[in-house]
Amino acid sequence: NAGVMQNPRHLVRRRGQEARLRCSPMKGHSHVYWYRQLPEEGLKFMVYLQKENIIDESGMPKERFSAEFPKEGPSILRIQQVVRGDSAAYFCASSSGLGFYEQYFGPGTRLTVT
Amino acid sequence: AQTVTQSQPEMSVQEAETVTLSCTYDTSENNYYLFWYKQPPSRQMILVIRQEAYKQQNATENRFSVNFQKAAKSFSLKISDSQLGDTAMYFCAYYGGSQGNLIFGKGTKLSVKP
Repeated sequence: NAGVMQNPRHLVRRRGQEARLRCSPMKGHSHVYWYRQLPEEGLKFMVYLQKENIIDESGMPKERFSAEFPKEGPSILRIQQVVRGDSAAYFCASSSGLGFYEQYFGPGTRLTVT
Repeated sequence: AQTVTQSQPEMSVQEAETVTLSCTYDTSENNYYLFWYKQPPSRQMILVIRQEAYKQQNATENRFSVNFQKAAKSFSLKISDSQLGDTAMYFCAYYGGSQGNLIFGKGTKLSVKP
């Protein structure tokens, strides 16, 4: 049973480009969470999605960031016009409808903005 | 708002000895969950142990155990018989019923020395 998959594992973008990060939850999981980890920091919540719905985006920056979890396919975190401050590790986690509290994490995507 | 505090940025322990990592949290909720996650150099987030607040008994997973003091809002992790593979960042995390996301502390960097 595959765990949470994230790709790419490493992504380099120049300032002003777009970054698209993908997350496939564990089989049977319909809840996806995105977290960001800045250097030397803990993980900070960004957004919580269920299939086709954004449940909580209180941790998302107001501009340039968006997330979706379509009916088919992975969840996408999209960052437009990236800046150096967006350089971080972005983690996706998933949970099932039963036991929301137990979240399983993917390996993360390390975004570097040059 | 709920907060999680880890007051020890770095700790070290000799192989085979015991070490305790501290975590305190603040919440007004009565039902919640607490977690310790391990993040080795690979950056993968690994769930080490979980504690339900309604359970008085402290959780134990092999060499890992917690000291949960609900009234004091304290949740420490004890690692017995430390092994070199325990070297990692350790994050304390809180999950409450009123929000869907985990709230993380800033982490403790643990080094196990041979």
